[in-house]
Amino acid sequence: GENVEQHPSTLSVQEGDSAVIKCTYSDSASNYFPWYKQELGKRPQLIIDIRSNVGEKKDQRIAVTLNKTAKHFSLHITETQPEDSAVYFCAAHNTDKLIFGTGTRLQVFP
Amino acid sequence: KAGVTQTPRYLIKTRGQQVTLSCSPISGHRSVSWYQQTPGQGLQFLFEYFSETQRNKGNFPGRFSGRQFSNSRSEMNVSTLELGDSALYLCASSFQPGIQETQYFGPGTRLLVL
Repeated sequence: GENVEQHPSTLSVQEGDSAVIKCTYSDSASNYFPWYKQELGKRPQLIIDIRSNVGEKKDQRIAVTLNKTAKHFSLHITETQPEDSAVYFCAAHNTDKLIFGTGTRLQVFP
Repeated sequence: KAGVTQTPRYLIKTRGQQVTLSCSPISGHRSVSWYQQTPGQGLQFLFEYFSETQRNKGNFPGRFSGRQFSNSRSEMNVSTLELGDSALYLCASSFQPGIQETQYFGPGTRLLVL
């Protein structure tokens, strides 16, 4: 079945540095790749998404890249701030459902 | 627009009991998906409902069931609770099912089974 692998599971960076989270998926039929941020005790919130006809998408300090051939997609956060600290989930939507990665706990130290 | 709401927010049950959780989607959204979130397994897909019909189901035992009403509100039921069912249960709504439809999550119901 569809599988989404996410790395790393934890990531610590200094404020102002960049953070990169990588995901791979197995189902080549997947066409939609959202990223969710979940702060402690809160619901997952969509922060950015990318569709298969696009290779890169940016929204201020956040960018996502997609390589459909390699079945890789990545989240890039630049100029990290303490409020970026959270768990980030990637996901891939195939024909049936949204499959999530296991999450990356990002800690940004001041 | 009001977001996705879930009730109750917290629940404590004992083994063997059953529980019903409720989810109200964003107004106009007709698809509701349910997920189980645990520290070790992340977000696991339970099932998806659209137009009162279950469209997809994840790999969970038959003790987990759900339904959707004509107003798109959805309920999930877990019978014969086990300790391992302790988790955060999240529902998410989207305008319709299918690829490229953004899902918006509710705050979740935290279930503790003793």
